[in-house]
Amino acid sequence: GDSVTQMEGPVTLSEEAFLTINCTYTATGYPSLFWYVQYPGEGLQLLLKATKADDKGSNKGFEATYRKETTSFHLEKGSVQVSDSAVYFCALSDRGGGADGLTFGKGTHLIIQP
Amino acid sequence: GAGVSQSPSNKVTEKGKDVELRCDPISGHTALYWYRQSLGQGLEFLIYFQGNSAPDKSGLPSDRFSAERTGGSVSTLTIQRTQQEDSAVYLCASSPASLGIDTEAFFGQGTRLTVV
Repeated sequence: GDSVTQMEGPVTLSEEAFLTINCTYTATGYPSLFWYVQYPGEGLQLLLKATKADDKGSNKGFEATYRKETTSFHLEKGSVQVSDSAVYFCALSDRGGGADGLTFGKGTHLIIQP
Repeated sequence: GAGVSQSPSNKVTEKGKDVELRCDPISGHTALYWYRQSLGQGLEFLIYFQGNSAPDKSGLPSDRFSAERTGGSVSTLTIQRTQQEDSAVYLCASSPASLGIDTEAFFGQGTRLTVV
């Protein structure tokens, strides 16, 4: 079955540091890939997505590139801010339209210190 | 409101009691999902509704869990004879159609269930 593996947290960085959160996946079809973010006290929000190989999703300074050859979708940001502190979830949706919707990783808690 | 609404936001219940969790999806969204987020775990798929089709219940962990969706809109997740391992945040999401290239799921803020 489909699965998503992302790096364990918490990840603690100083403000303006470079961020990478690794994500790899296994899927039987040709999935769409997503990063969701959960800010403290809020619901999950879609951060960015990519729907086919080599696509790059970007939003709020974050980027992730769909790498089919390495089955990866690593999240990056060049200069993080305190306001980026949140839990980040990598997820996939099998393009076959599977009724189970999204398959999520376990989440990575990111802490940005001023 | 314009978003997915869940109630209650917090629920504390005694072991063995039944609980009902409610989800109001975004108006017009045909797909509705329930997920469970346990401490230290990712989001676990529970059940999926799409329009008037029979729901996909493949993620329900036991027969104590059930869900219904009335009129293709509001959904209720029921947990009977709650156990301590049921303690988690229960998230509801909706999307305009089945998830695919051009659709995304919108999540509610969840119901935090604590079984004591």
